[in-house]
Amino acid sequence: DGGITQSPKYLFRKEGQNVTLSCEQNLNHDAMYWYRQDPGQGLRLIYYSQIVNDFQKGDIAEGYSVSREKKESFPLTVTSAQKNPTAFYLCASLDFSAGATGELFFGEGSRLTVL
Amino acid sequence: KQEVTQIPAALSVPEGENLVLNCSFTDSAIYNLQWFRQDPGKGLTSLLLIQSSQREQTSGRLNASLDKSSGRSTLYIAASQPGDSATYLCAVRPDSWGKLQFGAGTQVVVTP
Repeated sequence: DGGITQSPKYLFRKEGQNVTLSCEQNLNHDAMYWYRQDPGQGLRLIYYSQIVNDFQKGDIAEGYSVSREKKESFPLTVTSAQKNPTAFYLCASLDFSAGATGELFFGEGSRLTVL
Repeated sequence: KQEVTQIPAALSVPEGENLVLNCSFTDSAIYNLQWFRQDPGKGLTSLLLIQSSQREQTSGRLNASLDKSSGRSTLYIAASQPGDSATYLCAVRPDSWGKLQFGAGTQVVVTP
């Protein structure tokens, strides 16, 4: 089945460590997004990419990095510079092709906890 | 900047009652509006997508309306069931390439 796969589902990190969250989609979508969700708050955009080898900062990019070397993959690295990384991270993708509905699809999320 | 508001933040209804969820946005120039459902600890599931040229969309017991001039969308869920308990979020896209702006969601509990 087509969809978005995020891994790992749960991740624990010690302070000072970098961690990478994986996001893979087989929907052939051009655009991919990373969001952060904190309790009681709406989704906040970290980074997005509309095409391979190109990406833009979202509203809260500090302390995060991404790459887009393949259309189907958009990994997110949470660096030690991110002061409060404990959160639920959501990856999404969107089809921008002609005739597409513009519907955004999400993965199941990755929960990161800093010990 | 587009702001999206969902009121109330939480709602509890008895089983069988119709649910009415509200979404307000400040800029009426939108490309589309999407409603999502989120279960605890899970990702978002798309429920309905309304294009800017449409007034409503329906899927089973769900109906979403859009009134751009007043900056409002309403999600109706008919004959609610305990399985409808979840958080419902709306998101607005400003143009075909624009980033979605999300509301904070309405947490719904349907009691048996």
